[in-house]
Amino acid sequence: NAGVTQTPKFQVLKTGQSMTLQCAQDMNHEYMSWYRQDPGMGLRLIHYSVGAGITDQGEVPNGYNVSRSTTEDFPLRLLSAAPSQTSVYFCASSYSKQGIYEQYFGPGTRLTVT
Amino acid sequence: AQSVAQPEDQVNVAEGNPLTVKCTYSVSGNPYLFWYVQYPNRGLQFLLKYITGDNLVKGSYGFEAEFNKSQTSFHLKKPSALVSDSALYFCAVRDFSGTASKLTFGTGTRLQVTL
Repeated sequence: NAGVTQTPKFQVLKTGQSMTLQCAQDMNHEYMSWYRQDPGMGLRLIHYSVGAGITDQGEVPNGYNVSRSTTEDFPLRLLSAAPSQTSVYFCASSYSKQGIYEQYFGPGTRLTVT
Repeated sequence: AQSVAQPEDQVNVAEGNPLTVKCTYSVSGNPYLFWYVQYPNRGLQFLLKYITGDNLVKGSYGFEAEFNKSQTSFHLKKPSALVSDSALYFCAVRDFSGTASKLTFGTGTRLQVTL
């Protein structure tokens, strides 16, 4: 199994541009989520999904959209990039939507918005 | 809302010495607590969790954590530190508000183990 994969690894955007961060998992996990990691702030939840066709907002959803058309894929879209969205983004998946089991994290995407 | 606090930004320890990375929590109901580790330029890796049962939980790489309900703490420990343990450590708590369970993370503690 490849686990959780994310593309791209690095990205530089100009303010106002849009892009999609890709996330895929091959473990047949129901639960997938997106976090951003900023210095001194830990990881903050952006959006999450408990199954195909079901998504919900996390702690910091503004400026981001998600969809979950398949179990495997959970892309994160930045609608109009802003410098405040410069961060490292992690996708994670878990077997159980009840959170009893651990989450598996992808390697991250480092995004810089100029 | 559920939360965790990691009071130390950095912990320094010499190789071979015991280490402790502190975490306190605030939850309503029974806590589900986790520790994750992040090595440089990598994603987070699961170390261990407490759901119920024994207060001393054993995890990966020789780490263990002690759940203390009266002190609302879940400190990460290892009897003998290795240089390779140097990394960023995150405590997390399950937050079951809204439509499904979520993890709320602490701000992280950087562990530096030196020779």
